[in-house]
Amino acid sequence: AQSVTQPDIHITVSEGASLELRCNYSYGATPYLFWYVQSPGQGLQLLLKYFSGDTLVQGIKGFEAEFKRSQSSFNLRKPSVHWSDAAEYFCAVGSKTSYDKVIFGPGTSLSVIP
Amino acid sequence: DAGVIQSPRHEVTEMGQEVTLRCKPISGHNSLFWYRQTMMRGLELLIYFNNNVPIDDSGMPEDRFSAKMPNASFSTLKIQPSEPRDSAVYFCASSFPVEGLDYEQYFGPGTRLTVT
Repeated sequence: AQSVTQPDIHITVSEGASLELRCNYSYGATPYLFWYVQSPGQGLQLLLKYFSGDTLVQGIKGFEAEFKRSQSSFNLRKPSVHWSDAAEYFCAVGSKTSYDKVIFGPGTSLSVIP
Repeated sequence: DAGVIQSPRHEVTEMGQEVTLRCKPISGHNSLFWYRQTMMRGLELLIYFNNNVPIDDSGMPEDRFSAKMPNASFSTLKIQPSEPRDSAVYFCASSFPVEGLDYEQYFGPGTRLTVT
């Protein structure tokens, strides 16, 4: 069955520290991978996506993610976190070969300590 | 581009009343998704349409929920009768998936529903 797991429900980091949010997926076909961010009271905004090519993808707001097929992972990273990065982060997987739905993970809540 | 538009942004209603949530997808997008988000259950896909046709409604919780997409620019999610446990934020999203090309879902701002 297709699924996305985000092992960390909540993470707290200090401002200026580095960040890594974990994402693992189970998908039968070649996956299409996304990271979305949701600020309080807002909708979801796409941070970055991996479709093909270079497995290290750059996104908005200084985020990057690396696709590792052997580990079925797509972890999100940022070298230096800002207080405004405090939000909920969702990993998602979709199909590259059909118009099927995108499956979202449960989300990781990020708190940033000044 | 105005993005995905949802109305109302907030809805407070009494148990037993009918509630209708509205969504206008991004022009040109042919897939539309309705999600529900709660603290307990996270983000749940309720139903999605492709070219105005419902493709998968397995996430619709029960017969009290119904969704329609009469044309490419409008969709509704109706709850009748509403119950307190329906209180949640309901998101609409749209996309334009093309096989072999990349795509993404664009989310609306959501409708916060409170059923008392």
